[in-house]
Amino acid sequence: DSGVTQTPKHLITATGQRVTLRCSPRSGDLSVYWYQQSLDQGLQFLIQYYNGEERAKGNILERFSAQQFPDLHSELNLSSLELGDSALYFCASSELTGRYGEAFFGQGTRLTVV
Amino acid sequence: GENVEQHPSTLSVQEGDSAVIKCTYSDSASNYFPWYKQELGKGPQLIIDIRSNVGEKKDQRIAVTLNKTAKHFSLHITETQPEDSAVYFCAASTPGSSNTGKLIFGQGTTLQVKP
Repeated sequence: DSGVTQTPKHLITATGQRVTLRCSPRSGDLSVYWYQQSLDQGLQFLIQYYNGEERAKGNILERFSAQQFPDLHSELNLSSLELGDSALYFCASSELTGRYGEAFFGQGTRLTVV
Repeated sequence: GENVEQHPSTLSVQEGDSAVIKCTYSDSASNYFPWYKQELGKGPQLIIDIRSNVGEKKDQRIAVTLNKTAKHFSLHITETQPEDSAVYFCAASTPGSSNTGKLIFGQGTTLQVKP
């Protein structure tokens, strides 16, 4: 168990809808990262938050957004969903901004858009 | 931009043999190289990592080597066991001006260890 908790584990929704994925980082970790894993794209970095502030952005669509709350949990919001958004979404956390490097992943949320 | 190439995409070995997975990174400023193991239905699990000031690191049956000049790093698994079967990902992290720690992943290697 990595200590990173993601909910829900599975999500099935229709095109055009909006969903929210939740992540609780390991105790004491200030950094949260979101990654998307699809069959043909591997693990793609989406966005990072550090202590409530956005720190880095990857190939995240404008339809997607995230935030990190004062208790350090994070949410990834996906809107106007398309079939191509079906993927595994992982959250990872690390101790600081990444100076120590180690990032620990949650079990992921499998999103299916129908 | 930043890129990590990983080879091979699939690897099949007999139990007890060694397995080697290789990665090449593009950004010479990268300074941290973790390896993750992902089993079916689970999240990636950190199994070993190496920093740019070290050439080799070993942890029981797994080892990682780094060649900064060639921008190559490799994962070596000795005495493979069926439970080593999984998808393995290499990654590279570049501190950059904001030291984000974001990881750029290779495409993954599916390792099958045959009993």
